[in-house]
Amino acid sequence: QSVLTQPPSASGTPGQRVTIFCSGSSSNVGSNAVNWYQHLPGTAPKLLLYSNDQRPSEVPDRFSGSKSGTSASLAISGLQSEDEADFYCAAWDTSLNGFVFGTGTKVTVL
Amino acid sequence: QVQLQESGPGLVKPSQTLSLTCTVSGGAINSDLYHWSWIRQPAGKGLEWIGRIYMTGSINYNPSLKSRVTMSIDMSKDQFSLRLSSVTAADTAVYFCAREYRGYDWGLDSWGQGTLVTVSA
Repeated sequence: QSVLTQPPSASGTPGQRVTIFCSGSSSNVGSNAVNWYQHLPGTAPKLLLYSNDQRPSEVPDRFSGSKSGTSASLAISGLQSEDEADFYCAAWDTSLNGFVFGTGTKVTVL
Repeated sequence: QVQLQESGPGLVKPSQTLSLTCTVSGGAINSDLYHWSWIRQPAGKGLEWIGRIYMTGSINYNPSLKSRVTMSIDMSKDQFSLRLSSVTAADTAVYFCAREYRGYDWGLDSWGQGTLVTVSA
């Protein structure tokens, strides 16, 4: 029931830059802030970015975000093996009056 | 440092009601800085937002689950709860409770470890 679309997978070698896109609509990404989460299966998801491009203090600056129109993106620079995880975008949807998550992207470090 | 812990039955029979409680420690459940949320993840699938409750009792539910979901909050016990009625196998999932923080634009900044609920006879 995800209304935010992400590529199912992305990959890179250590040190590379990987970008994940999140496509939504005018009622969610287009009009509300986007948050990004990192999730290692079997653990609690972690807030990576909020308000499109803001990092909680404990998140390294290798992670950055941006938004344009109804699309948002998460970039991981200097890819590390510990970055291997599932990544989800999320936004409030004004039409649904609730949060919606993206379909999720599995990042693999080659 | 806030901690959230889900508790409840790990096995529920079809057509019955799933009930989970989230206990919050180290964080002010009665603060206007936070919403308290439930999210679930079926095996092999993505995250699905179920709903959230505010200290005032204001609630938002996922429209696809709204007819079956009830959330409540008990500030005297630092707990909030989820009830999902008429469950089917499709409701089998890991259920997470989490905190939304106003300072992070309502980002979910603290999560429980999750609890697996299986719907089976």
